[in-house]
Amino acid sequence: DAKTTQPPSMDCAEGRAANLPCNHSTISGNEYVYWYRQIHSQGPQYIIHGLKNNETNEMASLIITEDRKSSTLILPHATLRDTAVYYCIVRVKDNAGNMLTFGGGTRLMVKP
Amino acid sequence: EADIYQTPRYLVIGTGKKITLECSQTMGHDKMYWYQQDPGMELHLIHYSYGVNSTEKGDLSSESTVSRIRTEHFPLTLESARPSHTSQYLCASSEPDRVFEQFFGPGTRLTVL
Repeated sequence: DAKTTQPPSMDCAEGRAANLPCNHSTISGNEYVYWYRQIHSQGPQYIIHGLKNNETNEMASLIITEDRKSSTLILPHATLRDTAVYYCIVRVKDNAGNMLTFGGGTRLMVKP
Repeated sequence: EADIYQTPRYLVIGTGKKITLECSQTMGHDKMYWYQQDPGMELHLIHYSYGVNSTEKGDLSSESTVSRIRTEHFPLTLESARPSHTSQYLCASSEPDRVFEQFFGPGTRLTVL
C-alpha cells in the first residue's frame, strides 16, 4: 500500500480556504485517495475520495495532481468547527481484504 | 435517520470487572469494525466483521472479544478489565463494497482504575 506524508499541523484563519496537502509518491494506478477528519472526542468522519479527477462535494474539494503523486484537500471557507485532525489514506477501492489505516494526519487549527 | 450508536459514552470501572461496549447501526451495513485510540494517538483496528457470525482480529492485538449475532449489533467484551485497557473504543460500519467509506460512532471512553 502507498505511504502518505502529511504535515503534522496547520493553521487557517476563519473564513479563508484551508489547503491540506498530502504526498503519496508511491501510489499505484488502482489506488484511490481518501480523506477523513476527526474532531476532538468524536469518531472519524469520511469527507471525500478520488482516483485522478478532481472531486467536489458539500464538505470539500479534492485536487489530485496529474501524476497522482500528491493531492490537496480544500475547505473553501473554513469555520471554527473545521478544527480537527485530517487524515489522507491511499487504498485500492472496494478491496474487501484491505482495511483503513489511519496515520498521524494533519492537525488543522482554524483561528478567529 | 440512519446512524451508528455506541453506549456507554463514558465508563469508569474497577480492575477485574467484565464489561461490554455496545455498538448498533441502523444502516443495514454488513461490515462493522472496532478501533482503539489512545488520546492524541493513531486509531488501530482491533476487530472487524463481514456479517452475521463473522468476526476477525484486526491489526492490533487485543484481549477483547466481539460477537455478531445480528447485522445491526456488534458488541465488544472485556472479560476482566485492566488499567492497560484504558482507551477510547470506536465502532464503525460500511457497505461491503465500500469499505473505505466508513461511518463511525461517537466512541466509548473507557477508564479502568
